[in-house]
Amino acid sequence: GAGVSQTPSNKVTEKGKYVELRCDPISGHTALYWYRQSLGQGPEFLIYFQGTGAADDSGLPNDRFFAVRPEGSVSTLKIQRTERGDSAVYLCASSPFTGIVNTGELFFGEGSRLTVL
Amino acid sequence: AQSVSQHNHHVILSEAASLELGCNYSYGGTVNLFWYVQYPGQHLQLLLKYFSGDPLVKGIKGFEAEFIKSKFSFNLRKPSVQWSDTAEYFCAVVGGSQGNLIFGKGTKLSVKP
Repeated sequence: GAGVSQTPSNKVTEKGKYVELRCDPISGHTALYWYRQSLGQGPEFLIYFQGTGAADDSGLPNDRFFAVRPEGSVSTLKIQRTERGDSAVYLCASSPFTGIVNTGELFFGEGSRLTVL
Repeated sequence: AQSVSQHNHHVILSEAASLELGCNYSYGGTVNLFWYVQYPGQHLQLLLKYFSGDPLVKGIKGFEAEFIKSKFSFNLRKPSVQWSDTAEYFCAVVGGSQGNLIFGKGTKLSVKP
């Protein structure tokens, strides 16, 4: 596709359940980012991949959060034992940044809105 | 650690008014600075960016921003806003050779027709 695609667009789950959010980046983009945006806040960095490896996962809030990108393209953000505080819009972005000079132009998807009841 | 502060949470202007949104960052080294915009119902998109050279950078739709290193600021300006500029604006920074952008909390701009 032409842009970053995220599924599902909306997810409602119960506290304690497991959730997976998927991101399909722009073809050829080596860098992939996950951010979380709560109401009234800016995007909060979670994790960033270069190819298949996590180049920086310092933003993951705790060990309930995990992300993979096994083939260097599609990425899945996994949240175990969800809590009400996990409710937010999860944003994925991709970039042609190869780890040398960061142009900073991230191409964002529409986001996945997660609601934990 | 890097951080970004945006001073205004919500700005309300009438059409044709001038706009200035404040942004300050904290990072001691070389920085790249960005403004992103999110129109209602749309995804975040890049408005303009600064890397080096002329500290006054111009972006899309008549927006510009000025990097003032001594003030650690990167304020966004537009001489005359339009109703279609209603959106949320986010300042962001990436320091040195790091890969991830750090965003401010955003400023919501409402332009009255």
